[in-house]
Amino acid sequence: LAKTTQPISMDSYEGQEVNITCSHNNIATNDYITWYQQFPSQGPRFIIQGYKTKVTNEVASLFIPADRKSSTLSLPRVSLSDTAVYYCLVGDKNRGSTLGRLYFGRGTQLTVWP
Amino acid sequence: NAGVTQTPKFQVLKTGQSMTLQCAQDMNHEYMSWYRQDPGMGLRLIHYSVGAGITDQGEVPNGYNVSRSTTEDFPLRLLSAAPSQTSVYFCASSTQTGEQYFGPGTRLTVT
Repeated sequence: LAKTTQPISMDSYEGQEVNITCSHNNIATNDYITWYQQFPSQGPRFIIQGYKTKVTNEVASLFIPADRKSSTLSLPRVSLSDTAVYYCLVGDKNRGSTLGRLYFGRGTQLTVWP
Repeated sequence: NAGVTQTPKFQVLKTGQSMTLQCAQDMNHEYMSWYRQDPGMGLRLIHYSVGAGITDQGEVPNGYNVSRSTTEDFPLRLLSAAPSQTSVYFCASSTQTGEQYFGPGTRLTVT
């Protein structure tokens, strides 16, 4: 089971760039890294997914070093509405059975202050 | 396109009662899952399905049953409710690339 380790909490201020790092030392060759965001009283929402190097979309960037044992979610210029819990997951996206291996953990509570 | 829907939104049960939490998706996803989330905790996988007629256990399956007779529906049944099952329950469906879409959740209280 490719579990992940993230900081329990982080604080930032509006307009700053936030980087949340996730450790996944036991990542397998076919595993992808996926990040989710969860607001209170809502289900998690997909943010970004990647395999190696860098992935960018309209919301965030994901940086993955060559050894893939960690990854960093980067949120540019955060606002108050980015206050949420962020989860890092690792799993083989090409296998349906990976659903049984997904581990959400407790995530990182990001609080953005005015 | 409603995505993933769950009913009911809230439910209160007495210990020993049974009930079914409903989940439906209209995205034609093969993969569906049920999670529970306790206060201040992450999500824990209860059961999942990789297609109609195929289900398997997750991390915390005891006390729950599932079935998948159609691609769209994936109900979760509590056999005999216990206070330890007080939680928020999320249903999710997943694309072939592992991107999960979650429902709004069902808040269950067992007294």
